[in-house]
Amino acid sequence: EVQLVESGGGLVQPGGSLRLSCAASGGTFSTYGLHWVRQAPGKGLELVSAISGDGAITYYANSVKGRFTISRDNSKNMLYLQMGSLRGEDMAVYYCASGPEFAYTWWGQGTLVTVSS
Amino acid sequence: QSALTQPRSVSGSPGQSVTISCTGTSSYVGGYNYVSWYQHHPGKAPKLMIYDVSKRPSGVPDRFSGSKSGNTASLTISGLQAEDEADYYCCSYAGGYTFVFGTGTKVTVL
Repeated sequence: EVQLVESGGGLVQPGGSLRLSCAASGGTFSTYGLHWVRQAPGKGLELVSAISGDGAITYYANSVKGRFTISRDNSKNMLYLQMGSLRGEDMAVYYCASGPEFAYTWWGQGTLVTVSS
Repeated sequence: QSALTQPRSVSGSPGQSVTISCTGTSSYVGGYNYVSWYQHHPGKAPKLMIYDVSKRPSGVPDRFSGSKSGNTASLTISGLQAEDEADYYCCSYAGGYTFVFGTGTKVTVL
């Protein structure tokens, strides 16, 4: 079974940067697309960014386009999200998620990003 | 991409059935048979309960069922139990590598 473990969250000032990581184990990592999904306080789930298995195709929500960069290293079974120009509305729990079909079968436990001065 | 519309809350007594609706558009929900549902307890990772509109992953009780008609998908929980109290989110494949989530529904067991 695939396991996903996020890291890298923390407190950052508005306008600052942070890099999230997601370590995957237990599956054929390069086979699956990988996604970052976030939940802001009191809000619902939101797809932030996604990347194809080979890294060739990426997607960004309009709210983060131009500020966030998703990448993956299949040799290390790692997924990353480089976040820049952070805003208060980016404060959320960020989940790494994936699945073999058109659903999120596997989720990490999440990492909290707090944006505050 | 706009979020799919779900009722803010539904409730039922133990043993009863509740149904959560998820309304999208012909582009989402209506356009693909790739609707999934997630159970989310606060502080925990979301859990896949239904995929491909009506399929249950291994280990999910058959009390949970999904369906779709036109642009609206539904999740029904039969024989409601205390541990079913959680937030539930629908999600539709939206093309490419993208998905769109519903607004979320809080299920309360009375």
